[in-house]
Amino acid sequence: SQQGEEDPQALSIQEGENATMNCSYKTSINNLQWYRQNSGRGLVHLILIRSNEREKHSGRLRVTLDTSKKSSSLLITASRAADTASYFCATDATPGTYKYIFGTGTRLKVLA
Amino acid sequence: AAGVIQSPRHLIKEKRETATLKCYPIPRHDTVYWYQQGPGQDPQFLISFYEKMQSDKGSIPDRFSAQQFSDYHSELNMSSLELGDSALYFCASSLEQENTEAFFGQGTRLTVV
Repeated sequence: SQQGEEDPQALSIQEGENATMNCSYKTSINNLQWYRQNSGRGLVHLILIRSNEREKHSGRLRVTLDTSKKSSSLLITASRAADTASYFCATDATPGTYKYIFGTGTRLKVLA
Repeated sequence: AAGVIQSPRHLIKEKRETATLKCYPIPRHDTVYWYQQGPGQDPQFLISFYEKMQSDKGSIPDRFSAQQFSDYHSELNMSSLELGDSALYFCASSLEQENTEAFFGQGTRLTVV
């Protein structure tokens, strides 16, 4: 069963606009990680946010975490065509276990 | 910086054959995870190892087995291959599990014909 559900499933925006993707999960977590995947390629780690953190920034990326709502959002500012990819969140489904469960992903398309 | 290395990158096998996928984690990383990703699907957790011991098991078929060796590299062995096993197989590694980033390799694309 899916730990995470991402929303929207697909997003199409113009270059320069901001893109916001959301991830919801079901169980308590220690951390949540966001990944980017270009079609058929590897998963690139973007950012990790811990359960005691509310917001993290990395370049044009801003991630928030609301543990009371069991949700996280990834904001990409000033998007570029190169940001076109699928974005996944992954959670350590049960703290103390050695596995990450992925959400269903958001396919982002940035139009030049 | 060294990343997670997977080999081979591509593999074509016939039904009922056996395949072995290899994963070399980032140096000093002691935890390895294996994932399977079908076309258009999200990555599904198969199995993980911490300090050479199996730590968690996901939706891994009985036909598959894996292990982590003394040098921390891991191998995923897949027997009696089926058409439905065609997928991208990813390995990831991390330094301990809690609150550290898990970095993924480029994956092995397995095609079963």
